[in-house]
Amino acid sequence: GQSLEQPSEVTAVEGAIVQINCTYQTSGFYGLSWYQQHDGGAPTFLSYNGLDGLEETGRFSSFLSRSDSYGYLLLQELQMKDSASYFCAVRDRGFQKLVFGTGTRLLVSP
Amino acid sequence: GAVVSQHPSRVICKSGTSVKIECRSLDFQATTMFWYRQFPKQSLMLMATSNEGSKATYEQGVEKDKFLINHASLTLSTLTVTSAHPEDSSFYICSARVITVARQVDWGGYTFGSGTRLTVV
Repeated sequence: GQSLEQPSEVTAVEGAIVQINCTYQTSGFYGLSWYQQHDGGAPTFLSYNGLDGLEETGRFSSFLSRSDSYGYLLLQELQMKDSASYFCAVRDRGFQKLVFGTGTRLLVSP
Repeated sequence: GAVVSQHPSRVICKSGTSVKIECRSLDFQATTMFWYRQFPKQSLMLMATSNEGSKATYEQGVEKDKFLINHASLTLSTLTVTSAHPEDSSFYICSARVITVARQVDWGGYTFGSGTRLTVV
């Protein structure tokens, strides 16, 4: 099976940089992805890492170290609208299903 | 882009009644649909995987007879919560993997419905 652990909550101020970590244990690894979810809304895709290293997409970057079973999402120039929950996720290759991490609630204050 | 339409967005029902939630893929064919449940301030927990024309695969601990899933066509999957109880109150959300004809879309290719907030009173 798979398990993905994240910090439960992170707080930061506008304009700051914040890092959300994800450590995982999987029975097969097919890449790590990140999703954002606002309260009452659907998850939206942010980033994906299939190989080690950093992927940059605008203000968001994601990093993966497969040897450490670890990844993180980096959010720069934080804005109030970034207040949301963030989930890392892995795919079960056989059934294609997406398994989500425990989730991190990000609170951005003025 | 690929869109999954989920209805209803909110529903309140009495204990003991059944509620049906629909997810329709609007501009693509969803051979597989995933159903998640999310309690407040918790993660999305996969309940089952439905495949068009065959029986759904349920995750461990999910009651098959309580959460009936039907995937009768390539564009429609339904989840029926039978004999609902207050503990079934939750946010239910469906997801489909988008595979284009020309290229298999990978990680950006999971599209989600807008979710259904179920409250059982």
